[in-house]
Amino acid sequence: DAGITQSPRHKVTETGTPVTLRCHQTENHRYMYWYRQDPGHGLRLIHYSYGVKDTDKGEVSDGYSVSRSKTEDFLLTLESATSSQTSVYFCATQTGETEAFFGQGTRLTVV
Amino acid sequence: GQNIDQPTEMTATEGAIVQINCTYQTSGFNGLFWYQQHAGEAPTFLSYNVLDGLEEKGRFSSFLSRSKGYSYLLLKELQMKDSASYLCAVGGGATNKLIFGTGTLLAVQP
Repeated sequence: DAGITQSPRHKVTETGTPVTLRCHQTENHRYMYWYRQDPGHGLRLIHYSYGVKDTDKGEVSDGYSVSRSKTEDFLLTLESATSSQTSVYFCATQTGETEAFFGQGTRLTVV
Repeated sequence: GQNIDQPTEMTATEGAIVQINCTYQTSGFNGLFWYQQHAGEAPTFLSYNVLDGLEEKGRFSSFLSRSKGYSYLLLKELQMKDSASYLCAVGGGATNKLIFGTGTLLAVQP
């Protein structure tokens, strides 16, 4: 499997605080993705990146921003966390027309 | 717009064969993926189809018809450990946007 590390793995934060989740890869994959997974909704794309400093919005991007200043790191920021952003967040990476590899997920609780 | 549809739940018997369907409408198509996800775990890759036809890999096979926007995952000789969610995903466009369906929860019964 590709070396994909998400941090933190678990986090509890208060409503209104900013939160940053990190996805780190060691495989030099070009494409990186952030998803959230909630019961009944499957994996929903938040933002994705198709190169350093190249990012685009997914289906559920409101309230989230991303940055990719180098190939190996893709950061997801919740600008002002809300209870509706309580979820499991997955990062994925891909070289191109091949399988995407997933990190182990981050469980975020906003109280 | 982009839309990927799968049945929400399916039940099958140990040792049997089950087919999980996926239909899609997406802007751009680079390929279709199937993933397996056990509860509390990350998705793991099962198959990838780019061209029409059947791809076989052990007990699992995946079929694609690009003209119909249709794929299926075929699981043979079902085992209890196959109880999981199965996710259909489409990658498309120049930026390789990767969109998932809501997943099909498969329960394998003795």
